Amino acid sequence: EVQLVQSGAEVKKPGESLKISCKGSGYSFNLYWIGWVRQMPGRGLEWMGIIYTGDSDARYSPSFQGQVTISADKSINTAYLQWSSLKASDTAIYYCARLATGTFSYLDYWGQGALVTVSS
Amino acid sequence: DIQMTQSPSSLSASVGDKVTITCRASRSIDTYLNWYQQKPGKAPKPLIYGSSSLQSGVPSRFSGSGSGTDFTLTISSLQPEDSATYYCQQSYTTLMYTFGQGTKLEIK
Repeated sequence: EVQLVQSGAEVKKPGESLKISCKGSGYSFNLYWIGWVRQMPGRGLEWMGIIYTGDSDARYSPSFQGQVTISADKSINTAYLQWSSLKASDTAIYYCARLATGTFSYLDYWGQGALVTVSS
Repeated sequence: DIQMTQSPSSLSASVGDKVTITCRASRSIDTYLNWYQQKPGKAPKPLIYGSSSLQSGVPSRFSGSGSGTDFTLTISSLQPEDSATYYCQQSYTTLMYTFGQGTKLEIK
């Protein structure tokens, strides 16, 4: 069974750093792209970026370029999303999702989401 | 960037109704259009990919159509469990997959 299990909820202060994780199982992790999606409170889904876990080739939405870093460690089937200096506006649920590829690409399996709260 | 615009933003319908949600792309995306369903407190789940292909396990009352810039998600006979927010997503631009703003569907 394909599963993506994300790390737990985090409460941080502005200016702090953070790295959240997404561990895949039940499939060949290093053969798929993992995408990250932000959902701010009461808002819609926003595409942040994506990484090929086989070689850590990462691509970013212009809105998130320079704001976050996406990485992966294929030896432990885990992708990461990290911030070096959090802002209150980073408060959101962050989802990782596997990119199904074929003729059409779409996000076929999703993690449960990780709530990040940034507050002084 | 390709912008995705959904309409309506919200709607209310009765059990058994036929419901249609539309999604418009700012430029042609061929049939590279996906639909997702999100229930409160849950992760989104895929419904339709490639404009009209039904994801495995999704009830057949869901269908998608369209190409170019205009797309529709149709629920043929609305069920209580279909109360959710629905998002379209374009997958035309390689690895830069933008979402629509969402349509909240409520059951009367």
